[in-house]
Formats: sequence, structure tokens, C-alpha cells
Amino acid sequence: DQQVKQNSPSLSVQEGRISILNCDYTNSMFDYFLWYKKYPAEGPTFLISISSIKDKNEDGRFTVFLNKSAKHLSLHIVPSQPGDSAVYFCAASSGNTGKLIFGQGTTLQVKP
Amino acid sequence: DVKVTQSSRYLVKRTGEKVFLECVQDMDHENMFWYRQDPGLGLRLIYFSYDVKMKEKGDIPEGYSVSREKKERFSLILESASTNQTSMYLCASSPHTKNYGYTFGSGTRLTVV
Repeated sequence: DQQVKQNSPSLSVQEGRISILNCDYTNSMFDYFLWYKKYPAEGPTFLISISSIKDKNEDGRFTVFLNKSAKHLSLHIVPSQPGDSAVYFCAASSGNTGKLIFGQGTTLQVKP
Repeated sequence: DVKVTQSSRYLVKRTGEKVFLECVQDMDHENMFWYRQDPGLGLRLIYFSYDVKMKEKGDIPEGYSVSREKKERFSLILESASTNQTSMYLCASSPHTKNYGYTFGSGTRLTVV
């Protein structure tokens, strides 16, 4: 049973435009959400996170939005750059377990 | 910079072999994790450890075991490798339970033939 779902396997956007990556979750006990970025032949790297007590967190070109009632979060990248082309994983955790549950990933391609 | 090192980038093993995947971190992190990454399935947790000699099953522990004899080293063991264990294996570490800033290794691409 997939508790964290990224329903879009891939996304293609033009350089300079906005990229929106979506993530849905089913476990209402999740209280912390993260996005990771992965290039081929490298491990995932942490991008941005949000606590369940917030609905928005911003870091430069990256903003994460959380809608708890819909159990939905999204990552916005503005403006998108070719170097943003990678696989993006959404992840969630609950309590103090320190254990992350990951989604399936979305491959973002930013075209010059 | 925290570094997580996985001993092999690529491995090819035969069905039935016992396989050891090694992971070492250099920042005194308490928590260590093993995930596998498969297309369409994302990252799935195999085992994790909060401290030396402690281990917890993740979501897909079947066919795997782990060893953590020293704080910096977390080994994943495939007792008898099978073709359905062909995958990308990722090790990660984090400082303590409430810190979710995982640092991942570069991964080991294991092929079982």
C-alpha cells in the first residue's frame, strides 16, 4: 500500500517557466514532508522540507505547499532551469521514527 | 561535509550467492538506512538502525539482513541472491531521530544473473 504517491512519472517544461510537482499521501499521522532531488548515478540530495504546522515554505526558487485537508503537497520551481532536470522524490515521516516513506518519483525535464 | 560511502558502484552476482553491500559514514550519525530504488516504485526501505547492534525491519526486509557492529558502518546482506533483487541500493544516514536530513550514498547498482 503506497502511503506516498507521485502520480505523474514525468514532467516536461520550458526553461524559465514554472515546474509544479505533486505528491499525495494517505497517512494522516505524517507530520513532516521533504523533497529530494536525484541525478543519474548519484544519491538523492535534500531539497526542501515542510512541517505539518505550516502550509508553505520557500527557499530561493523552490517553494513547497502543503494542503493537509487534501493530504496533498506540491513543489514549485520558478524559474525552471535546465540544471533542474532530475528525478524528484517526495517523502514523509511521522513522530520520532526518523524513518522516511518515499513516493515513486517524478522525472522533470527542463528544455532550453 | 557529511559523506556516505558505498563500497561498490556496480556489482554483478550469481543467483544463490551471498552478497554483502557495505556503507560507511564519517560524521558520527546515529541513524543509518538501506533503501532500494526501482522504476515506478520509488525508494523502499529495507532495514534501518538507530544505534550500534540495533536494527529494525523496513517495508521490504524479506531476503535481506543487516549488520551494524560499529557506528559508522552498516552492511546489507543478501543471504541468497535472486534475480528479483536486481536493483539500485542506496544507503543513507542522519544525525538523530528528529533530524530528517538524510545524506545518501551514491548507490550500488546490483545485477543478479
